[in-house]
Amino acid sequence: AQSVTQLGSHVSVSEGALVLLRCNYSSSVPPYLFWYVQYPNQGLQLLLKYTTGATLVKGINGFEAEFKKSETSFHLTKPSAHMSDAAEYFCAVSDPQTGANNLFFGTGTRLTVIP
Amino acid sequence: EAQVTQNPRYLITVTGKKLTVTCSQNMNHEYMSWYRQDPGLGLRQIYYSMNVEVTDKGDVPEGYKVSRKEKRNFPLILESPSPNQTSLYFCASKPGLASADTQYFGPGTRLTVL
Repeated sequence: AQSVTQLGSHVSVSEGALVLLRCNYSSSVPPYLFWYVQYPNQGLQLLLKYTTGATLVKGINGFEAEFKKSETSFHLTKPSAHMSDAAEYFCAVSDPQTGANNLFFGTGTRLTVIP
Repeated sequence: EAQVTQNPRYLITVTGKKLTVTCSQNMNHEYMSWYRQDPGLGLRQIYYSMNVEVTDKGDVPEGYKVSRKEKRNFPLILESPSPNQTSLYFCASKPGLASADTQYFGPGTRLTVL
């Protein structure tokens, strides 16, 4: 069974500071991993995903995430926060072995950027 | 422009009054899905469809119906809405049936049932 834990439902950072949003998963096999962003009054948009290959994945808007199998983690980072990064971020996982319909979402982390 | 559209974006209704939220994608995607988003619970899947005339239940299907008569459309039907169905609803689609495929989301429909 798949599950996703996002530590911290709310995270606040100052503009220009490091952004770190945490995601841990539970899976019997190495999963595919996704980060989605939801801006106010909009749908979800893919930031980045890990399927196979290099464990450090770069996404849009300067975000990146590293798949760490030993820690069952896929934390999202950005070196310098911008006001436009204020949004809700969702981590999601899918199991490569169980077919098409198996995307499981975490409960989300709302990022606030303080000027 | 490639996109998933939903209508209406906002809807206030009363208990028991049947409603339909439409979803359409112009990307020729095989797979479509409906989610509801509630505070502290993230997104939970309601129904999904892997092809025309093929639909199946997700995690929270009670009180909802769907149909997939055409590849591009996947309407969500609430036959007798209740206040616990007040939520933010998202339709999504993806190109194929692979687990690694990215899902593309519509802008959301905020439903209030009084």
